[in-house]
Amino acid sequence: EPEVTQTPSHQVTQMGQEVILRCVPISNHLYFYWYRQILGQKVEFLVSFYNNEISEKSEIFDDQFSVERPDGSNFTLKIRSTKLEDSAMYFCASSTAPSTGKSHGYTFGSGTRLTVV
Amino acid sequence: DQQVKQNSPSLSVQEGRISILNCDYTNSMFDYFLWYKKYPAEGPTFLISISSIKDKNEDGRFTVFLNKSAKHLSLHIVPSQPGDSAVYFCAASFTYSGAGSYQLTFGKGTKLSVIP
Repeated sequence: EPEVTQTPSHQVTQMGQEVILRCVPISNHLYFYWYRQILGQKVEFLVSFYNNEISEKSEIFDDQFSVERPDGSNFTLKIRSTKLEDSAMYFCASSTAPSTGKSHGYTFGSGTRLTVV
Repeated sequence: DQQVKQNSPSLSVQEGRISILNCDYTNSMFDYFLWYKKYPAEGPTFLISISSIKDKNEDGRFTVFLNKSAKHLSLHIVPSQPGDSAVYFCAASFTYSGAGSYQLTFGKGTKLSVIP
């Protein structure tokens, strides 16, 4: 079964440092997403990406965050200057066209646990 | 602002019995609802969904019921099995006109424990 792959599985970084979280979505999917889950809290939407541009973003996704699809397979989330409160599990997801693919939802990766110290 | 609420953080059920997980929502614009299951150290896995034009969708042991007037949905698992022990998230979305992605709004999850 096709998978969304995320690397690394765990990243520890110092406050103020830049981090890049990497994702390889399912190859025939067109929509890409980042979500995060702070420990003990709900999964929260960060950003969606389609046709090489951001299609939606939440208020969490401020200027410190950026996303990129640098080649045909990778999808990255960059946090420019990490803060303690950025510590969370970050999930990448991909989907087919939303209007027709909803019956199967997204496919999520296993997540990257980001710890900011 | 919790648009999707799962008021029970945990639920314990005996193996073979029915598990009922509940979810309430406040945004009447939501027109699609999904349940995800999550094991520790894994991402959420899609389980079952329902469109707002339906009130029931069934897939094997899993049935989702939607009560639009009450803005309530529930997931029934019968019979429950130990392997069903996981955190279950309710999620909702609404359709945009034209092309575009859709975001999911999640509840906080309910941890289901199925006791052998």
